[in-house]
Amino acid sequence: DIVMTQTPLSSPVTLGQPASISCRSSQSLVHSDGNTYLSWLQQRPGQPPRLLIYKISNRFSGVPDRFSGSGAGTDFTLKISRVEAEDVGVYYCMQATQPPYTFGQGTKLEIK
Amino acid sequence: QVQLQESGPGLVKPSQTLSLTCTVSGGSISSGDYYWSWIRQPPGKGLEWIGYIYYSGSTYYNPSLKSRVTISVDTSKNQFSLKLSSVTAADTAVYYCARMSTMVDYWGQGTLVTVSS
Repeated sequence: DIVMTQTPLSSPVTLGQPASISCRSSQSLVHSDGNTYLSWLQQRPGQPPRLLIYKISNRFSGVPDRFSGSGAGTDFTLKISRVEAEDVGVYYCMQATQPPYTFGQGTKLEIK
Repeated sequence: QVQLQESGPGLVKPSQTLSLTCTVSGGSISSGDYYWSWIRQPPGKGLEWIGYIYYSGSTYYNPSLKSRVTISVDTSKNQFSLKLSSVTAADTAVYYCARMSTMVDYWGQGTLVTVSS
């Protein structure tokens, strides 16, 4: 199985300041079709996960442009340009390149 | 917009079989563009992908659960289902059904299943 490792596991951030979460995979996520199926999910308290970013850097429908994704191969990053109160929750990276599909442990974003 | 809704018992006894159904609305399971998945989350913990089914009935299960999992589909009802046998307390979790292709784009609200006598 591909192991997804996120850092940090907890991120206290001041409102209006940027935040960054890293995700590293145990092997390359480049699929045989040339695409990289790395996505980012947000889970607000008491809610199901919500898709934010797919294929490394594509924002899903309705996702604010303060969220951005980058990376390649085995190293990926989710950035929030200016954290808002509604961004509190747990963020997961997920790989869908090779089954079984796997998730990172989650990074808890909280406001200082 | 696609919506998914899980249903089933919230309490299952140890050694018995957990059974859940996911009803899909706003889109057809038979469209062929998606895989229909089950994902679970133990209380306070992270996400674990259980497996998926295609409308044709082909499946893929997480090897960690493969011996105990069965996912089936009923295209006439636009539903798919999960059965997990020989459950233990470690199977206590919120179970989500979801739509996926190369990403998981739509999720149900989730249903908590507790394994306890």
